[in-house]
Amino acid sequence: AQSVTQLGSHVSVSEGALVLLRCNYSSSVPPYLFWYVQYPNQGLQLLLKYTTGATLVKGINGFEAEFKKSETSFHLTKPSAHMSDAAEYFCASHASGGSYIPTFGRGTSLIVHP
Amino acid sequence: DGGITQSPKYLFRKEGQNVTLSCEQNLNHDAMYWYRQDPGQGLRLIYYSQIVNDFQKGDIAEGYSVSREKKESFPLTVTSAQKNPTAFYLCASRAGGATTGELFFGEGSRLTVL
Repeated sequence: AQSVTQLGSHVSVSEGALVLLRCNYSSSVPPYLFWYVQYPNQGLQLLLKYTTGATLVKGINGFEAEFKKSETSFHLTKPSAHMSDAAEYFCASHASGGSYIPTFGRGTSLIVHP
Repeated sequence: DGGITQSPKYLFRKEGQNVTLSCEQNLNHDAMYWYRQDPGQGLRLIYYSQIVNDFQKGDIAEGYSVSREKKESFPLTVTSAQKNPTAFYLCASRAGGATTGELFFGEGSRLTVL
């Protein structure tokens, strides 16, 4: 079954530092991968998605992610963190075989220090 | 503005009572989902519906029920059979195809059992 794993339940960075949030997927078939962001007491909103084509995907708010088949990874990065980036981030997959049900990682809480 | 509306935002329930969470969308999406969110566990799928008058159980359907009589509406009932219902509940609908379509979320309903 398709699943995604997010490494690290919490990531802490200083304002202006590089943000790196890790996501690995398990599948022999390239999946369709998404990153969502959730601010406190709100629903999730899409940051970016990979379906086919270019492996480097750019999203909103300066975030980007690179699909690496050799590493089964889809890590989320941002060159310079802002205080407003503090939120919960979820990696998700819409499996490419069998069930097309969106499944989510456990989430990574990004903490940004001034 | 198009979107998903969940109500109520906060709900308190006594043990043994059934409660119904409302989810309405005006995005003209066919597929809709209910997720439960608990700290550190990510989003877990309760029920989903791909089309009107059809719905399927997710990973944690026990103690919950749904209906899909209209395209716009997908209410979730938390029954007294749900042993630990205190959680944050998220409703979502999907744009486009099963593999590439992003999810649109409501702002959530927080249920507390007293």
